[in-house]
Amino acid sequence: AQTVTQSQPEMSVQEAETVTLSCTYDTSESNYYLFWYKQPPSRQMILVIRQEAYKQQNATENRFSVNFQKAAKSFSLKISDSQLGDTAMYFCAFKGPAGGTSYGKLTFGQGTILTVHP
Amino acid sequence: DAGVTQSPTHLIKTRGQQVTLRCSPKSGHDTVSWYQQALGQGPQFIFQYYEEEERQRGNFPDRFSGHQFPNYSSELNVNALLLGDSALYLCASSPAGAGYEQYFGPGTRLTVT
Repeated sequence: AQTVTQSQPEMSVQEAETVTLSCTYDTSESNYYLFWYKQPPSRQMILVIRQEAYKQQNATENRFSVNFQKAAKSFSLKISDSQLGDTAMYFCAFKGPAGGTSYGKLTFGQGTILTVHP
Repeated sequence: DAGVTQSPTHLIKTRGQQVTLRCSPKSGHDTVSWYQQALGQGPQFIFQYYEEEERQRGNFPDRFSGHQFPNYSSELNVNALLLGDSALYLCASSPAGAGYEQYFGPGTRLTVT
């Protein structure tokens, strides 16, 4: 079974600075999908960024980028120019390929609470 | 374009009762997944529906059941409620296919007393 681990329960950063959230996962699949979701106190889960395992290039979405290390099974999220609105719980999630045992379902990590201070 | 909607927003039930939660997927999405999120934890997969069939199921007892309607909306039913069923229940929708991300609704907060 796939597992996702986020080893940082809480992180804090000053506004305008950069912060990196860590995520590791375990799988025997070679093709899969990784996601970072953000859940503000309002509780709506919002997709931040996604990465396909077959793509070597790291995904980027505006101020958000990932460092995907497939061999190390590591998938970290970097937030540049942090803003107060980035304060939220961040979840790393794994989804397996079609036909696999984890196809269709997201396996989430435990989450990292990020607080951005003014 | 409306996103994923869920009802009710929150509800309180007593141990042993039954509850039904509802979800309408995002327009154009035909696959619906349900997750249970305990306070301070990551969501846990309950099951997924596609073409009105349960396609995949997580490690939840048979007290948890679901249904998908022809318009792709879905219901989650929980029988014989336990105190441990208190959680935020999230619905997520996506198009069929492995590569698509899931879009989440705002959730239903269930409290069992």
